[in-house]
Amino acid sequence: QVQLQESGPGLVKPSQTLSLTCTVSGGSINSGDYYWSWIRQPPGKGLEWIGYTSYSGSTYYNPSLKSRLTISEDTSKNLFSLSLRSVTAADTAVYYCARDSRYCSSTSCFYYWGQGTLVTVSS
Amino acid sequence: QSVLTQPPSVSAAPGQKVTISCSGSTSNIEYNFVSWYQQLPGTAPQILIYDNDQRPSGIPDRFSGSKSGTSATLAITGLQTGDEADYYCATWDSDLSVNVFGGGTKLTVL
Repeated sequence: QVQLQESGPGLVKPSQTLSLTCTVSGGSINSGDYYWSWIRQPPGKGLEWIGYTSYSGSTYYNPSLKSRLTISEDTSKNLFSLSLRSVTAADTAVYYCARDSRYCSSTSCFYYWGQGTLVTVSS
Repeated sequence: QSVLTQPPSVSAAPGQKVTISCSGSTSNIEYNFVSWYQQLPGTAPQILIYDNDQRPSGIPDRFSGSKSGTSATLAITGLQTGDEADYYCATWDSDLSVNVFGGGTKLTVL
């Protein structure tokens, strides 16, 4: 069974770059036709899809974040990463990584989730 | 404000049935697959339903999903206190070109 684990700094200063990684175990990131997503949840609020990197290496971003966002893969380390530039307090959230399943028919099928990591943007 | 509308809260007694609605439009629910997630307090969301009405292995058949037109529904029968959680629907929105979540519904088992 695939497992996902987020890691990265818990505190980022305003205007700086938020960088997180999602380490994958129980399967290879470059095997299978999967979508590897990032999703976030501000404290006390709902879920927001950030974007994904796919099995073909292509990426797709939420248009509201696209200008500040990069999602990439490191197949040698079996992980994928999130980089969000020029952060503000509005980017404070629990960040989750997730993956779909071969059973899914859409990219909104988040079958496996990491436990999440809280990132606070504050000086 | 999400493009998918869910009631903020629902409640029912143990053993009863509850339904949670997710209202959208032709650009999202009507022509795309819907999934549902349960988020227990302090934990990551867990998938309950995918492709409108499919249950992952390990999810009890007390949980079921359906879709009709621009709305989707999650039904939970035989309510248990352990079902108290936030529930979210999700789908692709073709106009916005983004995966979208509903605002979430808090279930209270009285």
